[in-house]
Amino acid sequence: KAGVTQTPRYLIKTRGQQVTLSCSPISGHRSVSWYQQTPGQGLQFLFEYFSETQRNKGNFPGRFSGRQFSNSRSEMNVSTLELGDSALYLCASSLTSNTEAFFGQGTRLTVV
Amino acid sequence: QKEVEQNSGPLSVPEGAIASLNCTYSDRGSQSFFWYRQYSGKSPELIMSIYSNGDKEDGRFTAQLNKASQYVSLLIRDSQPSDSATYLCAVIGSNTGKLIFGQGTTLQVKP
Repeated sequence: KAGVTQTPRYLIKTRGQQVTLSCSPISGHRSVSWYQQTPGQGLQFLFEYFSETQRNKGNFPGRFSGRQFSNSRSEMNVSTLELGDSALYLCASSLTSNTEAFFGQGTRLTVV
Repeated sequence: QKEVEQNSGPLSVPEGAIASLNCTYSDRGSQSFFWYRQYSGKSPELIMSIYSNGDKEDGRFTAQLNKASQYVSLLIRDSQPSDSATYLCAVIGSNTGKLIFGQGTTLQVKP
């Protein structure tokens, strides 16, 4: 059974640009959550999607957005990138919202 | 008060010893608790889940849950150098359904 797939693995962007990250969950999983991980802040919850609906949102500015498609694949978008957005972005999939979550390998975003 | 709290460590134990990792949480209504292991530069890997008070054992790992004290722990028996990693405690909020992580405890197992 394939795991959670995130693409791309690495990205370098310039301040002010926008970026789109992709996540394909484990087959059959309908919940996808996104996290930002930085050395100082740890794992911070961004948002969760279930059956194409955003069910939860963390305390991030509106520059961070996401969506989920009918096949449960999810994308997150960050607009007007700032240096502080440099982080590891992790996607986790689970069967439903309250069950075990499994992480992808992450996308390492560097903003210069 | 943070929603999920862990001592950042590092916790250093000799090879073969028992490592004890602790976590407290603030949401009294939480019902689902998880331990993840994260090696440097890698993504978190789920190692244990626990939903009921008491102990749950899986190989060298034992998770312990005490909902009255809002306390979760992870014991690693016969610790190996390969267990050296950051261990993340995670809790699903009872009202939000969000999976919230602690800052993680760094474990060092010395040969």
